[in-house]
Amino acid sequence: EAGVVQSPRYKIIEKKQPVAFWCNPISGHNTLYWYRQNLGQGPELLIRYENEEAVDDSQLPKDRFSAERLKGVDSTLKIQPAELGDSAVYLCASSHPRRRVVGQRDMNTEAFFGQGTRLTVV
Amino acid sequence: AQSVAQPEDQVNVAEGNPLTVKCTYSVSGNPYLFWYVQYPNRGLQFLLKYITGDNLVKGSYGFEAEFNKSQTSFHLKKPSALVSDSALYFCAVRDITGTASKLTFGTGTRLQVTL
Repeated sequence: EAGVVQSPRYKIIEKKQPVAFWCNPISGHNTLYWYRQNLGQGPELLIRYENEEAVDDSQLPKDRFSAERLKGVDSTLKIQPAELGDSAVYLCASSHPRRRVVGQRDMNTEAFFGQGTRLTVV
Repeated sequence: AQSVAQPEDQVNVAEGNPLTVKCTYSVSGNPYLFWYVQYPNRGLQFLLKYITGDNLVKGSYGFEAEFNKSQTSFHLKKPSALVSDSALYFCAVRDITGTASKLTFGTGTRLQVTL
């Protein structure tokens, strides 16, 4: 089974330019996440989708960042215009292949990550 | 709000010795807890999780973690470290409040295993 696929792996752009990242989650996963990971830090959630609906975008800088998941499968994350501080690794993840509930607890809750896109803004 | 603390930026251990990477958490309800590992220039790889049941959870590559509710901890352990275990380790917590919820990560602990 293919994992989460992200492209490109690396991107170098000049500040004020636009950039877009693409993610194809694991087949059947209805939850998709975009995380940003700064150097030496843990991933921080930007946006979470349940199918095509953005259910948590509270940490997404909406003045310059946008995301979409039109058909509830693959997703794009865009930055326009990029700033120097946007340099980071952008990680996509997906979860919930098939719900298996034991008592009140959903047993399939781990997220699976892609390799990420390393963005350098110069 | 949920949070995760990894108090050690780096853990150094000699190959063959046991290792522990510490994690404490804070959630309003019952936690789902996870450990991920990140090798250089790679994405995060799932190691293990605690959902319910036995407090000692076994995962990939010989790693295990112990859930301690009273101490709100979920420390990662391995009886005998390998040089190849050297990587960045992240603890994460999910507090289920609906059908799904945010996965919050700690800042990471770098594990360095030497010969």
